[in-house]
Amino acid sequence: GAVVSQHPSRVICKSGTSVKIECRSLDFQATTMFWYRQFPKQSLMLMATSNEGSKATYEQGVEKDKFLINHASLTLSTLTVTSAHPEDSSFYICSAIDRDSGNTIYFGEGSWLTVV
Amino acid sequence: AQSVTQLGSHVSVSEGALVLLRCNYSSSVPPYLFWYVQYPNQGLQLLLKYTSAATLVKGINGFEAEFKKSETSFHLTKPSAHMSDAAEYFCAVSDPGGYNKLIFGAGTRLAVHP
Repeated sequence: GAVVSQHPSRVICKSGTSVKIECRSLDFQATTMFWYRQFPKQSLMLMATSNEGSKATYEQGVEKDKFLINHASLTLSTLTVTSAHPEDSSFYICSAIDRDSGNTIYFGEGSWLTVV
Repeated sequence: AQSVTQLGSHVSVSEGALVLLRCNYSSSVPPYLFWYVQYPNQGLQLLLKYTSAATLVKGINGFEAEFKKSETSFHLTKPSAHMSDAAEYFCAVSDPGGYNKLIFGAGTRLAVHP
């Protein structure tokens, strides 16, 4: 079946550096992907909607310049956390819509980011 | 704006007992509703979804949920809990027909004890 893959699954970076997380749809083309963040023992908070070939749509309160989203192809969206700080440490999860399969939403396995 | 409220951040049941996880939604129009399960350090797995067809939805692992418009509810149930059901459960809502962004509830942690 359709799979959404995230890479890396875990990453540790130094404060002040940037880190990129990839979200790939392996079996289908996804014109729309979503990025969520989840703090420990909390719910998923939508950060932004990633649209292939156009700018991402960010939710209120999410810094566009800090969380850069690029959706350059129909199977790949990337989230870059720029100038990371310890408070950015979180679980980041992406999802993708398979519009050729009844608009089914598939979630990635998530990426743990730890900023030290 | 749409929102989802999950009553009870923690639910504990005995193995074999009924599981009832509550979810109420707020939406100006009947939305699409979802239940997801999340095991520790993992992503989300879809249990079931309501998309304006049958109000009683059957999902995987013996779970089901009933959409009640009059109560704006979409509670998740399972007749007999299993130890492997212990996990975090999230109710989510989206715009009908668009399968757009999902808005998640705060989650309910289900514990199952022998």
